[in-house]
Amino acid sequence: DAGVIQSPRHEVTEMGQEVTLRCKPISGHNSLFWYRQTMMRGLELLIYFNNNVPIDDSGMPEDRFSAKMPNASFSTLKIQPSEPRDSAVYFCASSFSLRVRGEQYFGPGTRLTVT
Amino acid sequence: KNEVEQSPQNLTAQEGEFITINCSYSVGISALHWLQQHPGGGIVSLFMLSSGKKKHGRLIATINIQEKHSSLHITASHPRDSAVYICAFTGGFKTIFGAGTRLFVKA
Repeated sequence: DAGVIQSPRHEVTEMGQEVTLRCKPISGHNSLFWYRQTMMRGLELLIYFNNNVPIDDSGMPEDRFSAKMPNASFSTLKIQPSEPRDSAVYFCASSFSLRVRGEQYFGPGTRLTVT
Repeated sequence: KNEVEQSPQNLTAQEGEFITINCSYSVGISALHWLQQHPGGGIVSLFMLSSGKKKHGRLIATINIQEKHSSLHITASHPRDSAVYICAFTGGFKTIFGAGTRLFVKA
């Protein structure tokens, strides 16, 4: 298995532009997580999907952030409009869980720089 | 008080030493995770546990639910163990991360 796949690996964009990050979870996993990592705040959970349904999006910083999971093999995290403070590494992770969250497998991350 | 506290923040060890990293949390949890983040940035899940002890190679993770405390031990440490080790707990729908322990193992 290729593991969790994220694209792009690096993204540099100007303030105000729309940014879309993509994630393909491990086949068969039913939970997907989006995380953000910054030097100041460390790792933070942004949103969690289970069976393609958003379960908890309380970590999404503001309305500029949105996430979708149209099917079991694909998710997007969109920032519109982007701001310099959104610069971070964004990780996607997936797991197989029944009632209790299973072990999570992380993608390589997307390093976002907003100038 | 942070919901999860890790110690130490930084740790330098000599190759071969036994290493312990600690994690304390203040709320009820359903599971505790230990993650390893390599210098290149990639994150690997080492353990997920909700009770007792787990072992994988030279790594051992323990958790004491009553004391709300978990430890990660590395036996016979090696320079390739140099990384940031992060504990995280899941409770309900939340995942809360510790700040991480930066480990450097000298040859």
